[in-house]
Amino acid sequence: QKEVEQNSGPLSVPEGAIASLNCTYSDRGSQSFFWYRQYSGKSPELIMSIYSNGDKEDGRFTAQLNKASQYVSLLIRDSQPSDSATYLCAVNPSFYNQGGKLIFGQGTELSVKP
Amino acid sequence: DAGVTQSPTHLIKTRGQHVTLRCSPISGHKSVSWYQQVLGQGPQFIFQYYEKEERGRGNFPDRFSARQFPNYSSELNVNALLLGDSALYLCASSSTGGSYNEQFFGPGTRLTVL
Repeated sequence: QKEVEQNSGPLSVPEGAIASLNCTYSDRGSQSFFWYRQYSGKSPELIMSIYSNGDKEDGRFTAQLNKASQYVSLLIRDSQPSDSATYLCAVNPSFYNQGGKLIFGQGTELSVKP
Repeated sequence: DAGVTQSPTHLIKTRGQHVTLRCSPISGHKSVSWYQQVLGQGPQFIFQYYEKEERGRGNFPDRFSARQFPNYSSELNVNALLLGDSALYLCASSSTGGSYNEQFFGPGTRLTVL
């Protein structure tokens, strides 16, 4: 079982729709979770961080965390063609002295069609 | 304010050579992490440094080494390059490098080993 799993996609949604990106993780003690966006040929850009169960909203983005189910998701409302990118889920593992180590999923490719 | 800077942007080396990659964190940040990203996968953790001390090490061979300087900039060194070392090398900056610290990536160094 991979430590952080994402569907690789591609996920295709029409412009204006809601895009839903999902991520599961194996370390039940993980405490911090991050979503990054990566355009082709560029480096990852931080979108959201979430640490507590529930929803966290920032503009058109909503991150959802369910620690009991070991599940974190990212919703993008009113999707735009400029949102087309690979979305990376990252988890900070809980084992002692791991500091800021992030474990990434393989990423989900999102395509927003005009 | 300047973000994370990395140099060089691109690098071409041959098998067996040595390479040094450099990173300067965001002003005020004291922690630097290094990641390797091969095409189609999420970044993989290599090292984290905080206040010039190694805080974490990923599952990479001893050919990989790093250090952090008093001004918090960092170098990643790779010896005896292999074809499989071809990847995008990412530096991430965070304020203290703790589990809840957000990490911000630089533009990366794309290394090609021939």
